[in-house]
Amino acid sequence: ETGVTQSPTHLIKTRGQQVTLRCSSQSGHNTVSWYQQALGQGPQFIFQYYREEENGRGNFPPRFSGLQFPNYSSELNVNALELDDSALYLCASSPGLAGVGSTDTQYFGPGTRLTVL
Amino acid sequence: SQQGEEDPQALSIQEGENATMNCSYKTSINNLQWYRQNSGRGLVHLILIRSNEREKHSGRLRVTLDTSKKSSSLLITASRAADTASYFCATLHTSGTYKYIFGTGTRLKVLA
Repeated sequence: ETGVTQSPTHLIKTRGQQVTLRCSSQSGHNTVSWYQQALGQGPQFIFQYYREEENGRGNFPPRFSGLQFPNYSSELNVNALELDDSALYLCASSPGLAGVGSTDTQYFGPGTRLTVL
Repeated sequence: SQQGEEDPQALSIQEGENATMNCSYKTSINNLQWYRQNSGRGLVHLILIRSNEREKHSGRLRVTLDTSKKSSSLLITASRAADTASYFCATLHTSGTYKYIFGTGTRLKVLA
């Protein structure tokens, strides 16, 4: 039990729709990262937020966007869904800013499985 | 692909044996972490090794890091059936922007 929760657990959408996935980090964790994991693959880094500002991004198009709130919750928004967006979406929280002397251990939520038809 | 490489892709051993997994990456890193994932669920952090460290131990886990070869290995000693899972390495890259890169994973099966 990592103390990180995600909702919903499963979601089915159709191509072209928009989706919002939610994550609740551990209290006191100022950093949240989002990942996309296709079946049989490793997680792919989407982006990271630190104190409500994006401070790192992987190779994902702008239709993937995020928000982080002061209450340690965050959202991943995906617009104009494509079939290839079908995956497990994971969020992970950590106490401090990555790589700056603080612990970089990431605590993962159980994920949201998104299916795009 | 941005992903690091892990080998083997799959490993099947008997309970009590040791399991070794390897990870290679491409660019300079701040640290390297190993994670375990059971049946497509969330990942569980196992161990972190910083770029200025060469070896680290935690219980039955031993991790080595060779920055000159851009590689790391995870050794699980005296494996148990409960160790059956997928194992991923993740590297933190901090040049320019923060970015975590996960490997492709090793699927470990420990037979009782």
